[in-house]
Amino acid sequence: EAEVAQSPRYKITEKSQAVAFWCDPISGHATLYWYRQILGQGPELLVQFQDESVVDDSQLPKDRFSAERLKGVDSTLKIQPAELGDSAMYLCASSFKGRQRNEQFFGPGTRLTVL
Amino acid sequence: AQKITQTQPGMFVQEKEAVTLDCTYDTSDPSYGLFWYKQPSSGEMIFLIYQGSYDQQNATEGRYSLNFQKARKSANLVISASQLGDSAMYFCAMREYTSGTYKYIFGTGTRLKVLA
Repeated sequence: EAEVAQSPRYKITEKSQAVAFWCDPISGHATLYWYRQILGQGPELLVQFQDESVVDDSQLPKDRFSAERLKGVDSTLKIQPAELGDSAMYLCASSFKGRQRNEQFFGPGTRLTVL
Repeated sequence: AQKITQTQPGMFVQEKEAVTLDCTYDTSDPSYGLFWYKQPSSGEMIFLIYQGSYDQQNATEGRYSLNFQKARKSANLVISASQLGDSAMYFCAMREYTSGTYKYIFGTGTRLKVLA
């Protein structure tokens, strides 16, 4: 069964360092989402792509976060410089436009710890 | 105002018993969708069940059913015959169509603990 791939699964970094996360959605899924989930809370959307275009990045802290999906397939989320408050789970999801319920399929996540 | 509200931070249920997890929502989109996801301690989000706003019948998926009360804007998840493996965080989410695209909003979650 097709899955959303994410790497790395775990990342420990020091504050002020740069980190990058990678996501490969399910083949054919045009919509890709990056979420941040702080421990004990629900996922919060950071950025949403439709193919290679950003359709929503209203909650992305653009002074330090950037995201790209150059060829409309896989995507990279970067944080530079990382801050202590960035410690969280970063979830990637994809969905296929055209399915009635348009459910999101999630990857395993990247758990980031900033020291 | 919160678009998705889960008022139960934590719930306990005895193994083999049924449990209901509450979710209320708020939207002006007439064609919305409601989802429930399970998140074990490992972190992945597992899709459980979906209810469309125009669906006439309550959704069911195995031991999961959704008690959809449209007028009250509630979409409670019912887990029957609880198992130890059901212990996890459960998130209610809503999909609405705004500004030309689908948006998803998640609740704060309910932590379920199944007792042996």
